[in-house]
Formats: sequence, C-alpha cells, structure tokens
Amino acid sequence: IAGITQAPTSQILAAGRRMTLRCTQDMRHNAMYWYRQDLGLGLRLIHYSNTAGTTGKGEVPDGYSVSRANTDDFPLTLASAVPSQTSVYFCASSDGLNYGYTFGSGTRLTVV
Amino acid sequence: LAKTTQPISMDSYEGQEVNITCSHNNIATNDYITWYQQFPSQGPRFIIQGYKTKVTNEVASLFIPADRKSSTLSLPRVSLSDTAVYYCLVGDLGPAGNKLTFGGGTRVLVKP
Repeated sequence: IAGITQAPTSQILAAGRRMTLRCTQDMRHNAMYWYRQDLGLGLRLIHYSNTAGTTGKGEVPDGYSVSRANTDDFPLTLASAVPSQTSVYFCASSDGLNYGYTFGSGTRLTVV
Repeated sequence: LAKTTQPISMDSYEGQEVNITCSHNNIATNDYITWYQQFPSQGPRFIIQGYKTKVTNEVASLFIPADRKSSTLSLPRVSLSDTAVYYCLVGDLGPAGNKLTFGGGTRVLVKP
C-alpha cells in the first residue's frame, strides 16, 4: 500500500542522546515535511524539503536537522535530545501541486 | 500564510449535520482553502479543498463565500466515527507556499 512509513513508532530517549527518526515514502512525491504535535498546540512545521537535495527551516527548527539524499527518504535527527522535544512527530509528503498531503502514523518520542 | 481562526470545539449528535466555520480575513489571491481530519494517534488526513463557491466530495462539502474571508466545512449526517479534530488551512499551492501551517483545529465530539 502506497504511503509513508515512519520508524520507530515510539521511543523513550535519555536526554543528551542522539536520535534519528526515519521517514520513507513510496509515492515519488517531491516534497516532504516534518511536523511535531504537542497537546493543545496543533502541528508545527520543523523542516521541509521541496525536492531531493534541498531542505528548509520551518516554524520550530532549533535542535533538529534533516537531510534529503534521495526522493524517498527524509530522516529527522535530534543531535542532543532535551525533554522539551518530547512530542509526537509526523512526517508528510506531497506532489507539490496541491495540499493533499499524505501523513505517516507518527513517532511518539519521550525524552527523559 | 494566512492566519485562520476556528472554534476550539463542537459537540453534535449522530445523524446531525456539523458545520465548522473558519475565518481567514487576510487570505491572498493565490491561496486555496484546505481541510484536514485527524483521529487520535493518527496523522491528519486530507478531506477537501477549494478556492471559491462550493466543493463537494463523498466525505464533506466546503462552502466559500464570494469574499473568501471565511469558509464552512459541512459534514452531513455525522456518526460516532466522525469524532476527530478538524483543521482549516489556507495557503498558496505553488512550490514556495507548500508549507502547511496548522492551527489548533476544532475538536468535534459526536454523541450517541
């Protein structure tokens, strides 16, 4: 089934540790996005990539980095996790022509 | 991206029609209006998108007045499974505008 795969589904991480959240899509969409969702705050854009080889900063990029080596993969890295990064992280993609984004099922991250 | 304002929550009963109005007073000429639905522990799901007048699909209808400063998502004959958070988003479909900004959404509770 075409869509977005995120891994892991959940993780408990010690503060200060490095963590990479994985995101893979099989729809050949050009654009990909990372959002975080905190209770009562909706979704906030962390980073985005309009096409392979390019990335950009969203609303809340600090503490996160991304790369887009190919069309399908868009990993999100927390270099040194802090408790405020406890959240649910959603990866999304689109064909860049409309707002019919496809979202993954999310990664629930707890930093302790 | 245009700022949107929508009610925080709404209650309804099975079989009723639910109408959620979103205000977007500073919508730009190139902006489209898109609605997403999010169930607990899932990523948002595209519902409907429009530019002006009325759009209808198998899930919902979207009403947009001539001045486009607001829009109304209409869910006909809701069931318990329609309990979710509904997000209104406004933005440019072009590559530079393809970065969705989600507000807090409207939490719809459908009661038996």
